[in-house]
Amino acid sequence: GENVEQHPSTLSVQEGDSAVIKCTYSDSASNYFPWYKQELGKRPQLIIDIRSNVGEKKDQRIAVTLNKTAKHFSLHITETQPEDSAVYFCAASFVEYGNKLVFGAGTILRVKS
Amino acid sequence: EPEVTQTPSHQVTQMGQEVILRCVPISNHLYFYWYRQILGQKVEFLVSFYNNEISEKSEIFDDQFSVERPDGSNFTLKIRSTKLEDSAMYFCASRTTYTDTQYFGPGTRLTVL
Repeated sequence: GENVEQHPSTLSVQEGDSAVIKCTYSDSASNYFPWYKQELGKRPQLIIDIRSNVGEKKDQRIAVTLNKTAKHFSLHITETQPEDSAVYFCAASFVEYGNKLVFGAGTILRVKS
Repeated sequence: EPEVTQTPSHQVTQMGQEVILRCVPISNHLYFYWYRQILGQKVEFLVSFYNNEISEKSEIFDDQFSVERPDGSNFTLKIRSTKLEDSAMYFCASRTTYTDTQYFGPGTRLTVL
């Protein structure tokens, strides 16, 4: 079945540094890749997403890159701030078929000030 | 900004009891989903629902689970006979037909004793 692998499981960075989280997916039919941020006890919140017809997307300090051939995509956060500390989940889905999201295991990001 | 809402926020039940988790999706959304997240683990897809029928369900969604849209606003998940391993956070999500973005509710924490 479909699977999404996410690395690393935990990531500690100094405030102001960059953070990179990587995911690989198994289903080559996947064509939609969102990233969610989840703070403790809260709902997952979409922070950025990308479709398979695009290689890169940026929104202020956050960017996502996609390599369809290698079936991996990455989240890049620049100039990290303490409020970026949270769990980040990548996900993949095949939009034309129900659009269920298959999530990675999550990355705990700690930004130290 | 409209949000998905869920009730109750926390449900405690005895093993073998039936529970109904309720969700109110965003009003113009037509696709509905249930996911669950066991403490400390990834978010897992349970079921998707469109046009008054299930469009896809996971292996987790066995005969003990059912979903219903009893009226124009609510979307419910019923677990007929709860087991200890059903203890988890259950998230409802919804989306429009125009975007791929799924918006998550705040979750219901189900504790089965």
